[in-house]
Amino acid sequence: RKEVEQDPGPFNVPEGATVAFNCTYSNSASQSFFWYRQDCRKEPKLLMSVYSSGNEDGRFTAQLNRASQYISLLIRDSKLSDSATYLCVVNPPYSGGGADGLTFGKGTHLIIQP
Amino acid sequence: NAGVTQTPKFRILKIGQSMTLQCAQDMNHNYMYWYRQDPGMGLKLIYYSVGAGITDKGEVPNGYNVSRSTTEDFPLRLELAAPSQTSVYFCASSYAVVGYGYTFGSGTRLTVV
Repeated sequence: RKEVEQDPGPFNVPEGATVAFNCTYSNSASQSFFWYRQDCRKEPKLLMSVYSSGNEDGRFTAQLNRASQYISLLIRDSKLSDSATYLCVVNPPYSGGGADGLTFGKGTHLIIQP
Repeated sequence: NAGVTQTPKFRILKIGQSMTLQCAQDMNHNYMYWYRQDPGMGLKLIYYSVGAGITDKGEVPNGYNVSRSTTEDFPLRLELAAPSQTSVYFCASSYAVVGYGYTFGSGTRLTVV
């Protein structure tokens, strides 16, 4: 089982619509969760952290379901500029001996259409 | 703050050549990482460092070497370049192992021919 799994898409969504995608993670003891955004031929950039109680940042809402081991990202009133690849990122338990840190999903490609 | 700075942005190498990818951060982060990203694939960890003088292998270390003589710098060395090393390389740093995201450099696009 892959550590972090995402639907690669692409998700083609009309401008102004709401879109949501999930990712699942395999290690139930994972400690931190993030969504990153990566534009074509650019570096990944932190979009938002994901907290157990769920959190919102403007049009973006992130949710964590520890029981089912998935996290979600909801984008409301989507803009053309939201077109990008969204990476689900998980921090497995710190083993103490290593610090190889975050595990990245392969990403979900989102295309907002005018 | 400049954040994480990578040089060069692009490079073409011939098979068997060597080169060093430079990475520097000005955020006083102890943790630094090198990833490669192939088309349609996720980020794969090459090497990481938890502080000056300490480095360790990641998932795909073969063909690469690193050093960490200062907190700021974490160069990646490619010896005897092979076509399989054609990729985009990202350097990243973080404040801590748990609870903090990474700041990435803008990447080095390397082609080995």
